[in-house]
Amino acid sequence: KQEVTQIPAALSVPEGENLVLNCSFTDSAIYNLQWFRQDPGKGLTSLLLIQSSQREQTSGRLNASLDKSSGRSTLYIAASQPGDSATYLCAVRRDSNYQLIWGAGTKLIIKP
Amino acid sequence: EAGVTQFPSHSVIEKGQTVTLRCDPISGHDNLYWYRRVMGKEIKFLLHFVKESKQDESGMPNNRFLAERTGGTYSTLKVQPAELEDSGVYFCASSQSPGQGNEKLFFGSGTQLSVL
Repeated sequence: KQEVTQIPAALSVPEGENLVLNCSFTDSAIYNLQWFRQDPGKGLTSLLLIQSSQREQTSGRLNASLDKSSGRSTLYIAASQPGDSATYLCAVRRDSNYQLIWGAGTKLIIKP
Repeated sequence: EAGVTQFPSHSVIEKGQTVTLRCDPISGHDNLYWYRRVMGKEIKFLLHFVKESKQDESGMPNNRFLAERTGGTYSTLKVQPAELEDSGVYFCASSQSPGQGNEKLFFGSGTQLSVL
């Protein structure tokens, strides 16, 4: 059974710092892994999708890596800004179907 | 381009009542998904439509939940009768027709359901 864990549950850092969010999964037989952002009262926004054959994806100040063998992914945010404050969730798509298995999320606060 | 829209944004009902949630996916998206997050727990998959057909409903918790997608456009999720443990945020997502399975998902803002 696939389980996805995100550590830490919450993180508070000063503006301008680089930071890393972690996601781990128990079953390496994944199709892809996605990172989402959720703002209070709003929906989920897809940030980056890494296919199982890929090692990383980049979008602007965001970089996501994937190590299937160790069951880990990281989301690196460079030069953090107050607008980056949100809950970040990772989700894994299994090989056999379209279901996403979700982590509980990391609540990120960037202090001005 | 309009995104995924969900209605209502909030619903407060009493135990035993019926509630119907609606999701309008992005136009042209064949895939429609329902997920929910109950308090303090991870988001969980409920079901997946491809056009009007239920592709996977393995996440539906019990027979009090009924999802439909008549005509392959909008979808409804009815809970009848609602129980306290049904409280949570219900998310809808859509994506284009499967290519190689790496299609981006677009989520709605969710419906916050409170059963009292």
